[in-house]
Amino acid sequence: DTAVSQTPKYLVTQMGNDKSIKCEQNLGHDTMYWYKQDSKKFLKIMFSYNNKELIINETVPNRFSPKSPDKAHLNLHINSLELGDSAVYFCASSQGISGRAGGNEQFFGPGTRLTVL
Amino acid sequence: AQKVTQAQTEISVVEKEDVTLDCVYETRDTTYYLFWYKQPPSGELVFLIRRNSFDEQNEISGRYSWNFQKSTSSFNFTITASQVVDSAVYFCALSEASGANSKLTFGKGITLSVRP
Repeated sequence: DTAVSQTPKYLVTQMGNDKSIKCEQNLGHDTMYWYKQDSKKFLKIMFSYNNKELIINETVPNRFSPKSPDKAHLNLHINSLELGDSAVYFCASSQGISGRAGGNEQFFGPGTRLTVL
Repeated sequence: AQKVTQAQTEISVVEKEDVTLDCVYETRDTTYYLFWYKQPPSGELVFLIRRNSFDEQNEISGRYSWNFQKSTSSFNFTITASQVVDSAVYFCALSEASGANSKLTFGKGITLSVRP
C-alpha cells in the first residue's frame, strides 16, 4: 500500500551512461515532482507535472528529461551522467487543484541514491 | 522570489530537553503555505505540518508545537521532552499559492541529535 514508490532505491553507474528512475503514486494525485538532494542535504525542485503536462522546469540541464506516461507515473531519464549528478532524487506528489496547488502537502517517495563513478 | 532560512545547522540536546527549531521565510505573496518535514536517518521525508498564511493559530500535536508569526515571518517548531527517536534533519519549506506552478522551497535543514 505504498503511496509514492521509486525504483531503484540505489543506482551506481559510470560517467557517461544513461539511466532512468521510475516513480509511481497510488494516491490519485494530479501533480508530481522531482527533487534533488545534494550531499549537503539541500533539497531543490527540478520538475513538476500536472496531469502529464510539464509545469515547472527549474533550469535543469537538458540531459535530464522527465516523462509522464500518465498522471500516476513520472519517470526521470538522465543522459550522459556526470559526477555532479550524484545525489538523492526524490519523487513527490500532491493533490493539486487549480489555484490551490500550493496549499497541498507533497508526499515523498523513499528516494533514489544515485552514485556516478 | 521565495526563500526559507534555517539559521541553525546542528542542534544537540539531551533526552527530555525541549528544543526549538527556527524558520524564517521571505515571500512577496500574501497567500502562501508553510511546511515542516522530518528526514530521519533512514532517509525518507515525512510530512509534519502545513500552515496557511491566513491562519496564525499555533498548533500542538502531542510533543510537537508550531508557532507561526507573520509579523516576524517566522514559523518555529518546538519539540517538548525530546526523545532519541526525534533525531533527524528537519526542513522548513514554503509554497506560494500560484496554482500548478507552486513548488516547495526548502530551507537548508537543521540536524537535531538527541542524546540519551
